[in-house]
Amino acid sequence: KQEVTQIPAALSVPEGENLVLNCSFTDSAIYNLQWFRQDPGKGLTSLLLIQSSQREQTSGRLNASLDKSSGRSTLYIAASQPGDSATYLCAVSYTGANSKLTFGKGITLSVRP
Amino acid sequence: NAGVMQNPRHLVRRRGQEARLRCSPMKGHSHVYWYRQLPEEGLKFMVYLQKENIIDESGMPKERFSAEFPKEGPSILRIQQVVRGDSAAYFCASSPIHGFGKNIQYFGAGTRLSVL
Repeated sequence: KQEVTQIPAALSVPEGENLVLNCSFTDSAIYNLQWFRQDPGKGLTSLLLIQSSQREQTSGRLNASLDKSSGRSTLYIAASQPGDSATYLCAVSYTGANSKLTFGKGITLSVRP
Repeated sequence: NAGVMQNPRHLVRRRGQEARLRCSPMKGHSHVYWYRQLPEEGLKFMVYLQKENIIDESGMPKERFSAEFPKEGPSILRIQQVVRGDSAAYFCASSPIHGFGKNIQYFGAGTRLSVL
């Protein structure tokens, strides 16, 4: 069974801290992996997408890495800000360019001023 | 270029009624996905459609749920005879026809269904 796990479910950090969000997946034969952000009552915003052949992707203060062999991905957020407070979801695609995403339950991040 | 549009944003139904959720994909996108987010749960895939075709419905409940994506107009997720357990947020996503190595799915804001 293909499962995606995100632990812990919630995280609270002071503003300015660098932090790492973890994602693990049981089946390493992924096609790609995406990190999303979800604000309360809102939809999902794609942050970064990593192809299975890539090791990392960067966008601004965000860096996502992928280790297929160990079934892990991390989202690194540098110099966290209160505006980063949201739920971060990890999702994997297994079967090609257009296929369903399998999501983790997400990590709810709170950045304290 | 407008994003993925879902309506209504909020829908209240009584048990036994029908719910119809609409999704208009981004311009130029011909692939639509529906996901459901139950309280305290992650998003779960329901169905993947292209114009006039259901490609993968492995996540759809066997009864009461159906989806379509006609040649013209929005994609519709239809839930017949709703029950309280259907209360959830339903998200639609779309991706472009040429998803070469990308499969970036763009999500709508969701429809929050409440069954009384």
